[in-house]
Formats: sequence, C-alpha cells, structure tokens
Amino acid sequence: AQRVTQPEKLLSVFKGAPVELKCNYSYSGSPELFWYVQYSRQRLQLLLRHISRESIKGFTADLNKGETSFHLKKPFAQEEDSAMYYCARPKNSGGSNYKLTFGKGTLLTVNP
Amino acid sequence: GAVVSQHPSRVICKSGTSVKIECRSLDFQATTMFWYRQFPKQSLMLMATSNEGSKATYEQGVEKDKFLINHASLTLSTLTVTSAHPEDSSFYICSARRAGRETQYFGPGTRLLVL
Repeated sequence: AQRVTQPEKLLSVFKGAPVELKCNYSYSGSPELFWYVQYSRQRLQLLLRHISRESIKGFTADLNKGETSFHLKKPFAQEEDSAMYYCARPKNSGGSNYKLTFGKGTLLTVNP
Repeated sequence: GAVVSQHPSRVICKSGTSVKIECRSLDFQATTMFWYRQFPKQSLMLMATSNEGSKATYEQGVEKDKFLINHASLTLSTLTVTSAHPEDSSFYICSARRAGRETQYFGPGTRLLVL
C-alpha cells in the first residue's frame, strides 16, 4: 500500500512568515496527492490536489518526483491558516474506489 | 454544494449497547461512502468503503461483525457499532464521493463515548 509521511507533528510560525508543511510519499510512478485541512471544530476539507496545480488560500504544493515530496507552501502565513493539515493519497495505486490514506497530520499555529 | 451530514454529532452509551451513526449526502448522490476512525491527536484511519447496493469492503483489522455498514441508498450510509465497549470510544467520520469523481466530501464527525 502507498504511504505518505508528514515528519512534523507541530509547526509554529509568526504571521507574515513563510510556511512549508512537509509531505513525502512512498515511490509510485504517477502519484495522486492531496492536501486536506481541518480548522478548529470544523470538518475536514480538501485544500488542493496536485493534478489541478491551483493555488487555494495562497497555498501551493509542487510535486517533486525526485525527492518524492509534495510540500505545502505559503509565502505569508495568516492567523486564520492555523489548522491541522493532512497530506493524502490513494491507498492503492490504480484503485478505483479512491480510498485515501492520510499522513499523521501537522498542526500549524500562526502566531500574531 | 457537496454537503455531507452526520447524525448524531455526539453519543454516549453504555457498554454492551449498539449505536447507529448516519451519514447523508445532502445535495448529491454518493455512489461511494467511506468510514474513518480518528483517535485523539492522530490521523484518520480508513475503516471501510461502502458502495450503494453492495456489501461494504472492510480494511484489514476492522471487524465487519462489530462495525456493520449499510448503504441502502445513494444518499445514506449507516455505521452500527454493535455491542460497544469503552475501547470503541472514538471520533467516527464519514465521507462521500460522487460517481466518477475523486474528491471526497467529509462529514463533521460523530464522537462516540462508551461508558
């Protein structure tokens, strides 16, 4: 089964500082990768997918096949970005049910 | 659009009783629903995949007789925790997916406490 690793459980930055949440994945030819976010007392929601290559709420994530990474970045963090962030990918390559496996999550705190 | 609800949001029950949790897709038809379990300060663990009209597929280590899943319609899946014990206390989250789409939409979760 495919895996994702988020090495940092906690990340704390000051408002306006750049932020990078790390995600590494087990090798796969063409991985599908996602970032999900869970704000305090809210449900988990999709932040972005690598396929769409879009920027949501100022966040971007680039797939680096050489490093097998999909780090989430934002140049200037805001207090409202404080949340739990999960990197995810399909559990089995080529699976049709799109079962997801999640990393352990990184709790981002943006201090004023 | 793409709202998923769960009911109840919180339930407390006595050990040995069964608890049913509902997951509904409010504004779309969900051909597939997923049930997750989340322990405090830990990640989501996929328990089972539920396809409308067919038997659920359980992940390794998840007891299918303990966690009964029914997906009787395209908008409703239920998870029944049978003969609940304190170790079943957890946060249960469902998600739903439209046919042909990868994106999963998550419910708000149900917190189960078994005394």
